Amino acid sequence: DVKVTQSSRYLVKRTGEKVFLECVQDMDHENMFWYRQDPGLGLRLIYFSYDVKMKEKGDIPEGYSVSREKKERFSLILESASTNQTSMYLCASRPGQAGYGYTFGSGTRLTVV
Amino acid sequence: AQSVTQPDIHITVSEGASLELRCNYSYGATPYLFWYVQSPGQGLQLLLKYFSGDTLVQGIKGFEAEFKRSQSSFNLRKPSVHWSDAAEYFCAVYSGGGADGLTFGKGTHLIIQP
Repeated sequence: DVKVTQSSRYLVKRTGEKVFLECVQDMDHENMFWYRQDPGLGLRLIYFSYDVKMKEKGDIPEGYSVSREKKERFSLILESASTNQTSMYLCASRPGQAGYGYTFGSGTRLTVV
Repeated sequence: AQSVTQPDIHITVSEGASLELRCNYSYGATPYLFWYVQSPGQGLQLLLKYFSGDTLVQGIKGFEAEFKRSQSSFNLRKPSVHWSDAAEYFCAVYSGGGADGLTFGKGTHLIIQP
């Protein structure tokens, strides 16, 4: 069964810490995405990548960076975590053709204290 | 830029009753349209999608959706809901302009009454 795997379901980090959220897909998809989900705001795109070492900013990239060194892995980095980055983070991937749809991971709920 | 509106934040339906969740989009051409479902604490699962052809599309779990170009709508329906359908439902649009992601509506929370 094809899947997108996010390494942690729950994380608690302290303000100012550097945080890494990992995402791995086993479908050989070209495109990978990071979203954050907040009540009343829905899902908002942080960053996406359409190839290894390539990245593009989404709607809310401030305070985040990403890394894609291998095709199957896309990491989201919070350089200095802040309490307003407490959220659910969802990783997704899709093939080059958007009509095939996006496959999502189970999410990482991050709490910054 | 495209946008998606789900006018109902919450909907309560009795078990066994029919369901319709509304979705309107704003985009000049025909976009790719999706419905996703999210159970509590889980990621998003694709229910169905439309990008061409028959305007009535069938999905998983007994769901269907109808694309109406004249109304810019893509409403989700199910003839008889089950308690396990209680979840958050998201409509999404992809405009086909590149590798960027989907634009989501803010979601509709479905509550099932016994």
